[in-house]
Amino acid sequence: QQPVQSPQAVILREGEDAVINCSSSKALYSVHWYRQKHGEAPVFLMILLKGGEQKGHEKISASFNEKKQQSSLYLTASQLSYSGTYFCGTASYRTGNTPLVFGKGTRLSVIA
Amino acid sequence: NAGVTQTPKFQVLKTGQSMTLQCAQDMNHEYMSWYRQDPGMGLRLIHYSVGAGITDQGEVPNGYNVSRSTTEDFPLRLLSAAPSQTSVYFCASSYSSSRANYGYTFGSGTRLTVV
Repeated sequence: QQPVQSPQAVILREGEDAVINCSSSKALYSVHWYRQKHGEAPVFLMILLKGGEQKGHEKISASFNEKKQQSSLYLTASQLSYSGTYFCGTASYRTGNTPLVFGKGTRLSVIA
Repeated sequence: NAGVTQTPKFQVLKTGQSMTLQCAQDMNHEYMSWYRQDPGMGLRLIHYSVGAGITDQGEVPNGYNVSRSTTEDFPLRLLSAAPSQTSVYFCASSYSSSRANYGYTFGSGTRLTVV
């Protein structure tokens, strides 16, 4: 069952912040985040394994609330290069890290 | 390292034709998978493999076959192409769950059109 991402799309001006949410109805083992630019393959950003864990990647960070089966991706001081579609991928406790089920994506557009 | 290599990059098939999409990785990843991407649908899992000789179905396996005879290769076969299989296909690989801090590496994709 696909995780649900929100919002479906967001437009930001350079320097603004955004939050992308990912929720699942299943108990989760891990949450992955990927970014895909138009016409390209998805690129791995980060993985979160434990409840309450937060990770960072430059000005992009994420949290994972294991009890609520939710993860959020935080983009701060957005840059034009952040534009793309962001996907979360989730793995349940039964299967460990594999296989991943992806959400439908959140399209992020950063404008000057 | 080449990473994950998919061939061909583009393909046009006629309804009823069969073909094989190739996927090869040189990172010694145990896990490989195939996804299809359609507008507004995200990435949907077709088949996956946790090691040579082991495969399993994903969310949308109908019309596709896979096999994994080596660690490096994971081809996807379309048995009898249908217009509903028009999509972009991505192959992805990763280490197994014993090394859970690693993400997936995706190939560049195959854009398939069935007419």
